[in-house]
Amino acid sequence: GDSVTQMEGPVTLSEEAFLTINCTYTATGYPSLFWYVQYPGEGLQLLLKATKADDKGSNKGFEATYRKETTSFHLEKGSVQVSDSAVYFCALQRASKIIFGSGTRLSIRP
Amino acid sequence: GAVVSQHPSRVICKSGTSVKIECRSLDFQATTMFWYRQFPKQSLMLMATSNEGSKATYEQGVEKDKFLINHASLTLSTLTVTSAHPEDSSFYICSAPFKDTEAFFGQGTRLTVV
Repeated sequence: GDSVTQMEGPVTLSEEAFLTINCTYTATGYPSLFWYVQYPGEGLQLLLKATKADDKGSNKGFEATYRKETTSFHLEKGSVQVSDSAVYFCALQRASKIIFGSGTRLSIRP
Repeated sequence: GAVVSQHPSRVICKSGTSVKIECRSLDFQATTMFWYRQFPKQSLMLMATSNEGSKATYEQGVEKDKFLINHASLTLSTLTVTSAHPEDSSFYICSAPFKDTEAFFGQGTRLTVV
């Protein structure tokens, strides 16, 4: 069945460092791919999405490219900020169901 | 943007009691809502799909009599964990699809059964 595997955390970086959180998926066909973020004490929020191969989703300086050949959707940001500290979830959607990765906790040091 | 409110955010209950978790869409109507469960360091697993005006659809392996779901109106779905036991301790989160393009999530509920 469909599944999502993402980089285990926690990940701790210094402010302004480059960020990569790896995500790979297993699915038939072409599901939509998402990154969700959960800030402390809040619900999940959609960060970015891509609906077909080679699409690049971007938001708040974060980017991820839908790579069909490697079945990946890695999250990147060139310069992280303290306010980016949160838990990040990679996910795929098929019909109305969303399948999540295990989440990666990111902590940014000032 | 659209908001989904989930309550309570944390609850501690005694083994054998029941706990009700509410999920409300605050500024849009949701004929369908989803309930997820997350164990520590694991993925959010879909438990069931809540349907307004009809029975919920449960995923394989989820006990219907254990996790009662009621979609009472177009803005409210409830999950009741009945006769809770320590193994039911988990993080429960609801979501509501919005305009078929994305889903909005509640804040989640941390349930601890002692």
